[in-house]
Amino acid sequence: AQTVTQSQPEMSVQEAETVTLSCTYDTSENNYYLFWYKQPPSRQMILVIRQEAYKQQNATENRFSVNFQKAAKSFSLKISDSQLGDTAMYFCAFMKHETEGKLTFGQGTILTVHP
Amino acid sequence: GAVVSQHPSRVICKSGTSVKIECRSLDFQATTMFWYRQFPKKSLMLMATSNEGSKATYEQGVEKDKFLINHASLTLSTLTVTSAHPEDSSFYICSARGGTGHQPQHFGDGTRLSIL
Repeated sequence: AQTVTQSQPEMSVQEAETVTLSCTYDTSENNYYLFWYKQPPSRQMILVIRQEAYKQQNATENRFSVNFQKAAKSFSLKISDSQLGDTAMYFCAFMKHETEGKLTFGQGTILTVHP
Repeated sequence: GAVVSQHPSRVICKSGTSVKIECRSLDFQATTMFWYRQFPKKSLMLMATSNEGSKATYEQGVEKDKFLINHASLTLSTLTVTSAHPEDSSFYICSARGGTGHQPQHFGDGTRLSIL
């Protein structure tokens, strides 16, 4: 079974600064996908970024980028130029490469961006 | 693209009532839909996985007679909480996935269920 660990229950950052959220996982699979989802106070789950394990290049989506270290089983999210709208709970998630697509979520990190 | 609509967004009802929550994929065909329960400031707990036209697969500890799931078409899944009691009060979220491989789950906006 897979496990996903987010060791930072809460984080805070000043507007316009950079913050990194940590995520580690444990799996015996070689081919899988990793995701970061954002859940703002409105409670909707929004896909922020995804990474395919067989790709060495780190994924980037505008101000969001990941540091994917496959050997270390680490998948951190970096948010640059933080904005007030980035305030949310962030979940790291793991998905095996299979047809069903079941996600294993981490515990979540509450990020607060201060003006 | 990849919009999932969940309805209703909020339900308040008396103990003993059955409540139905709908989850629709608006612009894609959802081969698989998932139902989650979430407590405040906690992670999502997967309740069940459903594939169109077949019975749902429930996670360990989830009562299938309590939480009835129907996935009648490629765009609609429903969760019915039967004879709801205050301990069933929670935030329920559905998600849908079209296809296989790297396709991610896309989530609905969730339903806040309050049982008095």
